[in-house]
Amino acid sequence: EAGVAQSPRYKIIEKRQSVAFWCNPISGHATLYWYQQILGQGPKLLIQFQNNGVVDDSQLPKDRFSAERLKGVDSTLKIQPAKLEDSAVYLCASSLVGTGYSPLHFGNGTRLTVT
Amino acid sequence: QKEVEQNSGPLSVPEGAIASLNCTYSDRGSQSFFWYRQYSGKSPELIMSIYSNGDKEDGRFTAQLNKASQYVSLLIRDSQPSDSATYLCAVIGSSASKIIFGSGTRLSIRP
Repeated sequence: EAGVAQSPRYKIIEKRQSVAFWCNPISGHATLYWYQQILGQGPKLLIQFQNNGVVDDSQLPKDRFSAERLKGVDSTLKIQPAKLEDSAVYLCASSLVGTGYSPLHFGNGTRLTVT
Repeated sequence: QKEVEQNSGPLSVPEGAIASLNCTYSDRGSQSFFWYRQYSGKSPELIMSIYSNGDKEDGRFTAQLNKASQYVSLLIRDSQPSDSATYLCAVIGSSASKIIFGSGTRLSIRP
């Protein structure tokens, strides 16, 4: 079974620039998550999709972050404009069904550095 | 009060000993509990899940859940240097809509 694919692995940008991350979940997984993990902290949920609908985006800074999941498969997360505090690892995860009892499977993450 | 709390560590345990990792949660109606292991620079990987009170064993790992005390723990027997990592506790709350992670406990196994 192929895992969750993410790209790019690393990205360095200057503040106020924009950046986009891509995620392809495990085949058949209906639920897709984007997490932000700042060094030394646990992952923080940014947005959760069930198929192509948003289940939870309460912690997504909507003035600068956006995400979409077209056709209920791949997803992109965008930051525009980036701030220094956005430096973190952005993790995409997927699960078979809704969160209830399905564990998350994580991709390798994208390490973003904002200078 | 944080929704999921863990001692950040580091927890240093001699090789071959039992490592005990603890986690408390605030939502009394929480349903599902997971332990993830995260090596430095890597993504979290699931090592244990537990849904009902009591113990669940898988190889050298035992998860323990006490819903009355809102407490979940992970025991690692015969600790190995390869167990050195950060262990994340994750909880699905009563809304069953999202997983909340603790900040993790850094475990170091010393030879």
